[in-house]
Amino acid sequence: QSALTQPASVSGSPGQSITISCTGTSSDVGGYNYVSWYQQHPGKAPKLIIYAIRNRPSGVSNRFSGSKSGNTASLTISGLQAEDEADYYCSSYTISNNLYVFGTGTKVTVL
Amino acid sequence: EVQLLESGGGLVQPGGSLRLSCVASGFTITNYAVTWVRQAPGKGLDWVSVISDSAGRTYYADSVKGRFTISRDTSKNTLYLEMNGLRAEDTAVYYCAKGGWDCSGGSCYSSPFDPWGQGTLVTVSS
Repeated sequence: QSALTQPASVSGSPGQSITISCTGTSSDVGGYNYVSWYQQHPGKAPKLIIYAIRNRPSGVSNRFSGSKSGNTASLTISGLQAEDEADYYCSSYTISNNLYVFGTGTKVTVL
Repeated sequence: EVQLLESGGGLVQPGGSLRLSCVASGFTITNYAVTWVRQAPGKGLDWVSVISDSAGRTYYADSVKGRFTISRDTSKNTLYLEMNGLRAEDTAVYYCAKGGWDCSGGSCYSSPFDPWGQGTLVTVSS
């Protein structure tokens, strides 16, 4: 089972919007609505920021939004802030032997 | 407040064994799926295993199947990961997280991994 494909890095200036893509197949991202996004700051545990494609847990800023089209899911961060600088991972349920697959990860840099 | 706290990591020789623990608070582990995810140094996240629903069904990644065993102690509200035949490529921080594949109530669904514990480092080296 291959990891979902994410860009290695994305950068933006404070206040700008950026989008991170997460590309899989019809066996995972394209076939189910079980796509989640996690934020991970250096040395910290991952934190859930989006689940079921587009839902935000309580307490997560509405600057984070999710969507999906075909086999590609996307995370958009609007009004980029310094605290958004972190690694971001997508995840999906998969029909393969391994129940879950993560993305390759994207490092977000705030310029 | 839901919290998870892992322990049991350390240095082990190739071929050795280790048991990780994950103490849960704020929820009852038999009512929810609980998952192990690992992260090799400088690398991405890698799903390892999940134990789900009241029947305790278990699922494993192909990379650990036959070597790792997930289990739980309901009296201690604690999740375990028994790791045997350890290899250098198993070196990682191991996280437990509430959520995963669950088949409670006659239907199956996936819940997101939330929250995560702080992780415990396993190093496999001679």
